[in-house]
Amino acid sequence: DTAVSQTPKYLVTQMGNDKSIKCEQNLGHDTMYWYKQDSKKFLKIMFSYNNKELIINETVPNRFSPKSPDKAHLNLHINSLELGDSAVYFCASSRGNMNTEAFFGQGTRLTVV
Amino acid sequence: AQTVTQSQPEMSVQEAETVTLSCTYDTSESDYYLFWYKQPPSRQMILVIRQEAYKQQNATENRFSVNFQKAAKSFSLKISDSQLGDAAMYFCAYRAPTISGGGADGLTFGKGTHLIIQP
Repeated sequence: DTAVSQTPKYLVTQMGNDKSIKCEQNLGHDTMYWYKQDSKKFLKIMFSYNNKELIINETVPNRFSPKSPDKAHLNLHINSLELGDSAVYFCASSRGNMNTEAFFGQGTRLTVV
Repeated sequence: AQTVTQSQPEMSVQEAETVTLSCTYDTSESDYYLFWYKQPPSRQMILVIRQEAYKQQNATENRFSVNFQKAAKSFSLKISDSQLGDAAMYFCAYRAPTISGGGADGLTFGKGTHLIIQP
């Protein structure tokens, strides 16, 4: 059983489209995250959800919106996709305690053409 | 804001040799956690080792160990007896405490070091 799973693994879409990436974790964690990895491999946090409440919202365009229907799921919706949105998006989860590591999904490579 | 710096974009080591990857960070906190993650070509992020700031003893996981120097804000990773499977991007990451004591503020990553293992 995959601990943190994302779908799809690859996504190619045209500029202006709206797309979603789904994430599910079966670890019973209460905090989930979205990270973006750019073409230079730099990873930066986008959002985190703790008990269905948004904790962080970094300087991310409001075209990006996380949606958490329950504690095990955190989906990422992206509206009006732009070329610069092309990246690898990682979902992750962790327990609320600071001393636990984050478990990552396998990533979704988004290509906007 | 916390920052994490990995000054070596790429490192190369002969198989079976030892290599050290550098990481420094900047924080005003006294309690925090540090991690090393490995990202092989498969793209999966894999935890290698973690260190609690309040512990003076350096963490060790088999062939992987850290040299944690809190005063210097340095957290280097040593890989002994390097193997071909160690070839990957290695990311140093910092996790800050939150007011509630939880960890909902995520990880701050360095820019990574690409480790090449030469047979």
